[in-house]
Amino acid sequence: QKEVEQDPGPLSVPEGAIVSLNCTYSNSAFQYFMWYRQYSRKGPELLMYTYSSGNKEDGRFTAQVDKSSKYISLFIRDSQPSDSATYLCAMRNAGGTSYGKLTFGQGTILTVHP
Amino acid sequence: KAGVTQTPRYLIKTRGQQVTLSCSPISGHRSVSWYQQTPGQGLQFLFEYFSETQRNKGNFPGRFSGRQFSNSRSEMNVSTLELGDSALYLCASSWLAGGGTDTQYFGPGTRLTVL
Repeated sequence: QKEVEQDPGPLSVPEGAIVSLNCTYSNSAFQYFMWYRQYSRKGPELLMYTYSSGNKEDGRFTAQVDKSSKYISLFIRDSQPSDSATYLCAMRNAGGTSYGKLTFGQGTILTVHP
Repeated sequence: KAGVTQTPRYLIKTRGQQVTLSCSPISGHRSVSWYQQTPGQGLQFLFEYFSETQRNKGNFPGRFSGRQFSNSRSEMNVSTLELGDSALYLCASSWLAGGGTDTQYFGPGTRLTVL
């Protein structure tokens, strides 16, 4: 079983829809949670960064972390065609053997059609 | 500030050959991590370097190696290439080599195809 599970989709939604992307994880040592966006033929780009449980909002994006359930989510409001990309969740421990290591989900392919 | 750069962007090799990929981190960043991305396995951590020292290593065979220079630039090497090594190799840099709030910024990757 992978440490981080993410539904690969693909997910197709109409413009303006609310998108919900989710990951579950098994390693209770994960303390830092990230969402990256990756366009075709590009490297991942950091969207959201959250420490421990709670919510964080940035424009149309909201990240939620529920450590008790080992579940994280990314919500995209008023989705746009330019949001079409692969969304990757990533996690890391705090220090120690986690140096430089992010553990990623498989990525969810999102298409927003006009 | 310039982002993470990787060279070359595309590479075609044959089985048994070796390859060296290069990564220049964001100016001032001292930590460089390498990842392999494939459709089947997703993004997997290869290793991390800080101040010319490998501090962490993923579960890859010894054919995968790397190094970091005093200017923080990093190279990774894959010897005796196998078909399964075909992947996008991504480099990420960060200011610190620690856990926590240290953010990793990714380069565009090197697309390696092994024939």
